[in-house]
Amino acid sequence: KNQVEQSPQSLIILEGKNCTLQCNYTVSPFSNLRWYKQDTGRGPVSLTIMTFSENTKSNGRYTATLDADTKQSSLHITASQLSDSASYICVVPPGGTYKYIFGTGTRLKVLA
Amino acid sequence: NAGVTQTPKFQVLKTGQSMTLQCAQDMNHEYMSWYRQDPGMGLRLIHYSVGAGITDQGEVPNGYNVSRSTTEDFPLRLLSAAPSQTSVYFCASSYSFGNRNGYEQYFGPGTRLTVT
Repeated sequence: KNQVEQSPQSLIILEGKNCTLQCNYTVSPFSNLRWYKQDTGRGPVSLTIMTFSENTKSNGRYTATLDADTKQSSLHITASQLSDSASYICVVPPGGTYKYIFGTGTRLKVLA
Repeated sequence: NAGVTQTPKFQVLKTGQSMTLQCAQDMNHEYMSWYRQDPGMGLRLIHYSVGAGITDQGEVPNGYNVSRSTTEDFPLRLLSAAPSQTSVYFCASSYSFGNRNGYEQYFGPGTRLTVT
């Protein structure tokens, strides 16, 4: 069964600290993996799309990694800011269907 | 570009009432979809469309209808509202489904629906 699991469910860190969010997937066939940021009360916004051949991709203070062999991805946030407080969602679109598979997200809270 | 727009932003319905949630995009995207988001759960696909005149069911289609008469618009109809349909609804669009070329998916701001 196609699934995307994220951990931890929630995380609290102090401003300026780094953190890493995890995503494990069992989606097949695999072509790419996406990370989204969702602020409270808003729609998700794309942070990065990683294709099969990419194992690291950065977007400012956000760095995503992908290990297609172990079917794991991580999102690393460097020097966190209060504005990083949001839910981070991992999404994988399987081949053969038109249905994106969403993880339940990690809720990050950054404290001053 | 306005991107993906949704109306209304908030709505309260009584059980049994019907209504239409509007979604429009101005990016000439072929793929459009509707999701609902409930606390503690990931976004769940209700219906999707791969082009004008083509729609299909997602994971949780019961109680909802869609149509796609134009590329721009993809309305979601609640036939007879039930309290279980209380949720936040998101519309999304992308140039094509993103399993081959990594096309970006853009989300609307959401409609918060309460059914009493």
